[in-house]
Order: sequence, then structure tokens, then C-alpha cells
Amino acid sequence: DQQVKQNSPSLSVQEGRISILNCDYTNSMFDYFLWYKKYPAEGPTFLISISSIKDKNEDGRFTVFLNKSAKHLSLHIVPSQPGDSAVYFCAASEMKTSYDKVIFGPGTSLSVIP
Amino acid sequence: SAVISQKPSRDICQRGTSLTIQCQVDSQVTMMFWYRQQPGQSLTLIATANQGSEATYESGFVIDKFPISRPNLTFSTLTVSNMSPEDSSIYLCSVPSGTGWSPEAFFGQGTRLTVV
Repeated sequence: DQQVKQNSPSLSVQEGRISILNCDYTNSMFDYFLWYKKYPAEGPTFLISISSIKDKNEDGRFTVFLNKSAKHLSLHIVPSQPGDSAVYFCAASEMKTSYDKVIFGPGTSLSVIP
Repeated sequence: SAVISQKPSRDICQRGTSLTIQCQVDSQVTMMFWYRQQPGQSLTLIATANQGSEATYESGFVIDKFPISRPNLTFSTLTVSNMSPEDSSIYLCSVPSGTGWSPEAFFGQGTRLTVV
């Protein structure tokens, strides 16, 4: 039972255009969402996050949008650059006072074509 | 930020043998996490390793198969025991980005294990 889904295994975008990576979740208790980027032969690196009290969070070229009613979030990269080519993982968690685990999606491989 | 070094970066092992993966962090951390990423799959948490106590395993993972050591606040090992081809995966260690638990984390570069 996949609680975090990324239905597009791969995505190709021209340099300078917008990249939109999508993520859906099933657990309505999730209230904190994250995106990680992973290059080959490296571990994932944290990119951006959003709490459920917000519907948008922006950091430079990266913006994450959250639609709680649809249980959907998306990562927008504008403008896309060749260095953005990587696998992007969506992740979700419940923010409690004690530890709870982070659930990762299967990832979307983004290719930015020069 | 934390710098995490994982060894080995990759290995090819015979079925029935065991492999121990080391994870070294450049700062003291309370919690360390071990993940597995099977081919084409998401990252799945194996266990949480706290210094001075037994590791906490997630459903589907047992100590006999994945024994973990946590001798101090900067080091941990994960052993994959009695390996089979189904254990072929990338294994990653991770630490929270904050002083306590936080959902944002730093990851090591991973150990790519192939069992033949």
C-alpha cells in the first residue's frame, strides 16, 4: 500500500522551461511534506518542504504547492537548468511531538535538455 | 549541515554471506536511520539506531537479518546477513538535520549492494 505516490517515473523538459513534478498521498494524517533531489551515486539531498498550514512555499527557482483537499502536491522548477537533472523524491510525515517516520515516494527522474 | 561517509560505496557479494556497512558522521547525533532502496522502489526505513539502546526496527525488518550497532554518537553499522539476491539494493544511512528529530535529513552517498 503506497502512501506516497509519484505516478510519473520520468519527465523531460527543455532548458529554461518549467518543470512540474507531481505527488499524491493517501494518508490524511500527513501534515508535513518534503522534496529531495538525488544525483547518481549520491545520497538524496533535502530541497524544500511545506507544512500543511500553508499552500505554497518558495525558495529561489523551486516552489512547492500543496492542495490538501486533493491530497496532492507539486514541485515547480522555473527556469529548469541542466543541473536540475536528477531523481526527485516526494516525502511525507506527521509532525508530532515525538518521532515519526518519513514516507518516501518512488521518485521521478527529471531530464533537462539543453 | 552534517557530512556523512558511508563505506563501502558498492559491493558484489555471494549469496549466504554477510556484509557490514559503516556510517560515519562528522558531528554527534542522537538518531541515525538506515534505509533501503530496492530497484525502482522508494526509500524504505529499515530501523532507527539510537546510541546506548537497541535499534528500533520497522515492520518487515528483523534484527537477525539486519543487526545494527551504534557504539557512539558519530558511528553506526548495518549488517545484511545471510544475503540473497532479493537483498540487492542501495542502503543509505541518514541523520536528522536538527539537534532532535526533524523530518529533514542528511543522507550518506549510499552503498550499492549486488548479491549473486
